[in-house]
Amino acid sequence: KNEVEQSPQNLTAQEGEFITINCSYSVGISALHWLQQHPGGGIVSLFMLSSGKKKHGRLIATINIQEKHSSLHITASHPRDSAVYICAVISNFGNEKLTFGTGTRLTIIP
Amino acid sequence: DTAVSQTPKYLVTQMGNDKSIKCEQNLGHDTMYWYKQDSKKFLKIMFSYNNKELIINETVPNRFSPKSPDKAHLNLHINSLELGDSAVYFCASSQVVRRGTQYFGPGTRLLVL
Repeated sequence: KNEVEQSPQNLTAQEGEFITINCSYSVGISALHWLQQHPGGGIVSLFMLSSGKKKHGRLIATINIQEKHSSLHITASHPRDSAVYICAVISNFGNEKLTFGTGTRLTIIP
Repeated sequence: DTAVSQTPKYLVTQMGNDKSIKCEQNLGHDTMYWYKQDSKKFLKIMFSYNNKELIINETVPNRFSPKSPDKAHLNLHINSLELGDSAVYFCASSQVVRRGTQYFGPGTRLLVL
């Protein structure tokens, strides 16, 4: 079992729908990243969270450290949001290892 | 201007060869990283340098050797290439080690035949 699990693995939705992608992890962490990988392969960092909630445009990321869980929400989804969304955690012990989830492939249909 | 650039974009080579991938960032960041993304699209950190010094070295074969001539450059040299080295290699940089927002290069697609 991966230290970082994402769900769902694949998600297809209609344009305009509210999207939620989940990330659960099994280790203590000091911070968590959400990344977006476009169909062309480029990777963009969306958020870095250590507590609470962050918002950027239509994207919202939340984290619950006690429950070892983070969510990424997209409001009013658009076909250009179609991408793979990747969660990565930084462990809070030892060498602060950076571990990635397997990604969630999101497809938004017009 | 590209913030993090990698060359080459594509690299096709024979097994056993030695090759290098170059990375440069013009963001003034202190930390640079190399990641490997395998055929299943799983990302894994390989190395991280902070101010030209190695700070993260995950379990990577010693055929892979990073070199940082200055804090704007982090090159990856791979000796005796194997079929399993075929992957996309991403370079990234951040101002703060691990916790800072990371800026990724476009990736280098390596295919070993």
